[in-house]
Amino acid sequence: QKEVEQDPGPLSVPEGAIVSLNCTYSNSAFQYFMWYRQYSRKGPELLMYTYSSGNKEDGRFTAQVDKSSKYISLFIRDSQPSDSATYLCAMSAGLANAGGTSYGKLTFGQGTILTVHP
Amino acid sequence: GAGVSQSPSNKVTEKGKDVELRCDPISGHTALYWYRQSLGQGLEFLIYFQGNSAPDKSGLPSDRFSAERTGGSVSTLTIQRTQQEDSAVYLCASSLDVTRANIQYFGAGTRLSVL
Repeated sequence: QKEVEQDPGPLSVPEGAIVSLNCTYSNSAFQYFMWYRQYSRKGPELLMYTYSSGNKEDGRFTAQVDKSSKYISLFIRDSQPSDSATYLCAMSAGLANAGGTSYGKLTFGQGTILTVHP
Repeated sequence: GAGVSQSPSNKVTEKGKDVELRCDPISGHTALYWYRQSLGQGLEFLIYFQGNSAPDKSGLPSDRFSAERTGGSVSTLTIQRTQQEDSAVYLCASSLDVTRANIQYFGAGTRLSVL
């Protein structure tokens, strides 16, 4: 079983829809939770990160972390065709919680392919 | 530079040959990371550097893979005696330092095809 599980989709929605993306994980040491967006043939770009549990909002994007359920979500409101991309969740234990020297390591989900139709 | 730069952007090689992939991080970033992304897969961690040292090499798939970083800047990932299963996109990222590993900036990657 992978440490981070993410449904690869693909997910197809009409423009203006609310999109929900999520990941589950098994490592209770994870403290930092990130969402990256990757366009075709480009490198991933960081959208948001959250430390520990809670919600974080940035424009049309909201990230939620539920550590008790080991479940994280990214919501996209009023989705646009330009949001069409692969969305990757990533996690790390951070300096205080990682064993040994692994605190620089991010563990990624498989990525969810999202298409927003005009 | 303005962003993380990787070269070459594409590399086609024959099975058994050695290849070198280069990464030039954002100026001032002391931490550098290498990942591999196979078709339809997420990013697989390979190795990271803080300065010139590599505290975690746990993701390197075999002893055919090695990486070095000199001068605290440019890094080279070397794959010896390439195999077809090495075909993937190799991504490099950098962060201000390893305590900021949660904020990584990625290059566009090197697409490696082993024939």
